[in-house]
Amino acid sequence: GAVVSQHPSWVICKSGTSVKIECRSLDFQATTMFWYRQFPKQSLMLMATSNEGSKATYEQGVEKDKFLINHASLTLSTLTVTSAHPEDSSFYICSATQGGNQPQHFGDGTRLSIL
Amino acid sequence: KQEVTQIPAALSVPEGENLVLNCSFTDSAIYNLQWFRQDPGKGLTSLLLIQSSQREQTSGRLNASLDKSSGRSTLYIAASQPGDSATYLCAVYPGNTPLVFGKGTRLSVIA
Repeated sequence: GAVVSQHPSWVICKSGTSVKIECRSLDFQATTMFWYRQFPKQSLMLMATSNEGSKATYEQGVEKDKFLINHASLTLSTLTVTSAHPEDSSFYICSATQGGNQPQHFGDGTRLSIL
Repeated sequence: KQEVTQIPAALSVPEGENLVLNCSFTDSAIYNLQWFRQDPGKGLTSLLLIQSSQREQTSGRLNASLDKSSGRSTLYIAASQPGDSATYLCAVYPGNTPLVFGKGTRLSVIA
């Protein structure tokens, strides 16, 4: 089946550091990738939609200068949390789809802890 | 705007019991509905996907039904096991937009 790899799975860093999270589709071409954020015991909150070769579309309330998204190829999207602060600590999950009515396939998530 | 509601928010059952998780959505114009499992601190595992033209899907001890006209889906788990303990998420796909998720049902199966 379709596999999405997310890296790293866990990162701990100091406040003010920028952190990059990678999302790769291993066996299919992902026209569209999505980035979600999940707080403890809450559901997934969509942050942005990323189409290959285009600028990401951010959901209301998500700072595009804070959460930089790059989708330069059909198999890779990156999310960079710039100048991270403790309130950015969360679980970040990506998903990828071939587009149209094809299902979304999810990565295993990245737990980000900012000290 | 599509909204997905899951009831109950949490459920605790003894091992071996059959159980039903409920999901409702406000807009019946969907392409498909998907049930996911999420273990603590982990990503999502897709359990079942029901296309809008289908009524149900089965995989092992899991059976998911879809009644699009009434905006409802159920996930039936037969002969529950402690390993089934997890959060179960329901999500609908409106078409050319991202999945819309419910808040999930936290299931605990007690041995």
